[in-house]
Amino acid sequence: GEDVEQSLFLSVREGDSSVINCTYTDSSSTYLYWYKQEPGAGLQLLTYIFSNMDMKQDQRLTVLLNKKDKHLSLRIADTQTGDSAIYFCASGAAGNKLTFGGGTRVLVKP
Amino acid sequence: GAGVSQSPSNKVTEKGKDVELRCDPISGHTALYWYRQRLGQGLEFLIYFQGNSAPDKSGLPSDRFSAERTGESVSTLTIQRTQQEDSAVYLCASSSFTYYEQYFGPGTRLTVT
Repeated sequence: GEDVEQSLFLSVREGDSSVINCTYTDSSSTYLYWYKQEPGAGLQLLTYIFSNMDMKQDQRLTVLLNKKDKHLSLRIADTQTGDSAIYFCASGAAGNKLTFGGGTRVLVKP
Repeated sequence: GAGVSQSPSNKVTEKGKDVELRCDPISGHTALYWYRQRLGQGLEFLIYFQGNSAPDKSGLPSDRFSAERTGESVSTLTIQRTQQEDSAVYLCASSSFTYYEQYFGPGTRLTVT
């Protein structure tokens, strides 16, 4: 079945850039997503990329997609302490179920 | 409110009891999803409703789990004869059929003692 893999943990200093990586197996995925989950809070959609794109930039967030290698990354520029959270990569299609990775815990140190 | 709501927010139950979890999707959203998130893990898909189509039940872990949805409104997820391994946060999401974003509710934290 479909699978999405992420690294477990990332530590970064405030002001530096963070890069979170993800690999997926379902080549039929039309959308790839990044969700953020803060302690005790629900899932918040941060950004998404359509599978025929290779890059999307949204303020401090840059998503890169290598469709050939099925590799997705999220870069957060000028990381702030408020960016400390768990980040989930997910693959799917509009109006269909999502397959989530296990999440990457990002810790931002002052 | 305009968001997805779930109730109860927390549920503690004894092993062997049945529980019902409720989800109110965003009005007008034809698709409704249930996911489970075990402690420290990602989300596992459970079941998906799309309009009047037969639900996709491929993620339900056992026949103790079932879900219903009335039209395009409320859904209930029922877990019979709960086990300790059912302890998790159960998340509901809704979306329109053609829209890319699934809107998540706050979840129900289920603890089976």
